[in-house]
Amino acid sequence: QKEVEQDPGPLSVPEGAIVSLNCTYSNSAFQYFMWYRQYSRKGPELLMYTYSSGNKEDGRFTAQVDKSSKYISLFIRDSQPSDSATYLCASDSGGYQKVTFGIGTKLQVIP
Amino acid sequence: EAGVAQSPRYKIIEKRQSVAFWCNPISGHATLYWYQQILGQGPKLLIQFQNNGVVDDSQLPKDRFSAERLKGVDSTLKIQPAKLEDSAVYLCASSLRGNEQFFGPGTRLTVL
Repeated sequence: QKEVEQDPGPLSVPEGAIVSLNCTYSNSAFQYFMWYRQYSRKGPELLMYTYSSGNKEDGRFTAQVDKSSKYISLFIRDSQPSDSATYLCASDSGGYQKVTFGIGTKLQVIP
Repeated sequence: EAGVAQSPRYKIIEKRQSVAFWCNPISGHATLYWYQQILGQGPKLLIQFQNNGVVDDSQLPKDRFSAERLKGVDSTLKIQPAKLEDSAVYLCASSLRGNEQFFGPGTRLTVL
């Protein structure tokens, strides 16, 4: 079992839709949860970073962590064609421990 | 603020040849990471440096891969000899605080 599981998609939605991206993880020691966005032929870019359970909002993006069910979510409101990218969830247990990435979900927002 | 720089951006080599990648992290970032990203997969950590010391190299295939970070700034990753399965994007990242990593554009390696 991979430590961080993510559906690779692809996921296609119309412009303006609410997008829900999800991951599950198995390592109970994970405390930090990140979402990265990766455009084609570019390096990943940190979008959201949360510690432990709860919600965090930044503009059109909301990250949600439920440690009881080991479930990580990213919601994108009013999705735009520029949101078309691969979204990687990632987790680690803090300090300088290794960050474990999911395989990424490819999102396409259709105008 | 300048981002993480990597070179070359693309490299094509034949199997059994050697190749080296270079990374210049964001100024002041003490932690530097090398990742391997195979097509359709997430980045896999190869090695993590804290200044010029190695923190984690548990997933580095040490029989063929080597990395160094002299003077705690720039870093090079070398593969010798390369295998077909080494075809991937090699990403360098740096961080000031462990969880917030900033990635470079990557080097796309094709081994024929």
